[in-house]
Amino acid sequence: GQQVMQIPQYQHVQEGEDFTTYCNSSTTLSNIQWYKQRPGGHPVFLIQLVKSGEVKKQKRLTFQFGEAKKNSSLHITATQTTDVGTYFCAGPYRHNNDMRFGAGTRLTVKP
Amino acid sequence: SAVISQKPSRDICQRGTSLTIQCQVDSQVTMMFWYRQQPGQSLTLIATANQGSEATYESGFVIDKFPISRPNLTFSTLTVSNMSPEDSSIYLCSVEQGVYGYTFGSGTRLTVV
Repeated sequence: GQQVMQIPQYQHVQEGEDFTTYCNSSTTLSNIQWYKQRPGGHPVFLIQLVKSGEVKKQKRLTFQFGEAKKNSSLHITATQTTDVGTYFCAGPYRHNNDMRFGAGTRLTVKP
Repeated sequence: SAVISQKPSRDICQRGTSLTIQCQVDSQVTMMFWYRQQPGQSLTLIATANQGSEATYESGFVIDKFPISRPNLTFSTLTVSNMSPEDSSIYLCSVEQGVYGYTFGSGTRLTVV
């Protein structure tokens, strides 16, 4: 299996700026999941992407799955202080029920 | 999605002792997962627990150090044995929910002194 690589490790933005985190794999992924972990909290599932080139939106969050299904991104438009936290991607390792997490991107938002 | 009750939420323990963490799920699930998350780090899978069989441990984790019980489809425990300060971390249980991803317990923040 291949674990997913995630960048950047940290991102500091001014409130209102956009934010993007990227997840990459050397092998084709059957699916990819995204999670948010608020400071002091536990990871919370945001979305799962399955199809090549898939784009899904949740309010200001846009999730993309690459055409080759080897990369994915999470983009937040006009960040707010409520977006603060660490965003993780997760991809299958040995099988679809065995998801492994990327290193995470810690987002801080300056008011 | 499932709701997981995890306890204790935090504990401070003396080195050499053991702590058992419990997770109760409000529905029956086949697999439960135990993770460790060190401060500022990602989640590392410790083991996968199936009801009625021994847990499957990941590289770097052994049953003698992290014994797991899975007596039924709604409950599991993880014991951190013979603790040292290096075991200080957050421990999380989770269940897999298909297209709804993984649902996590609220975590146990362990400090070993």
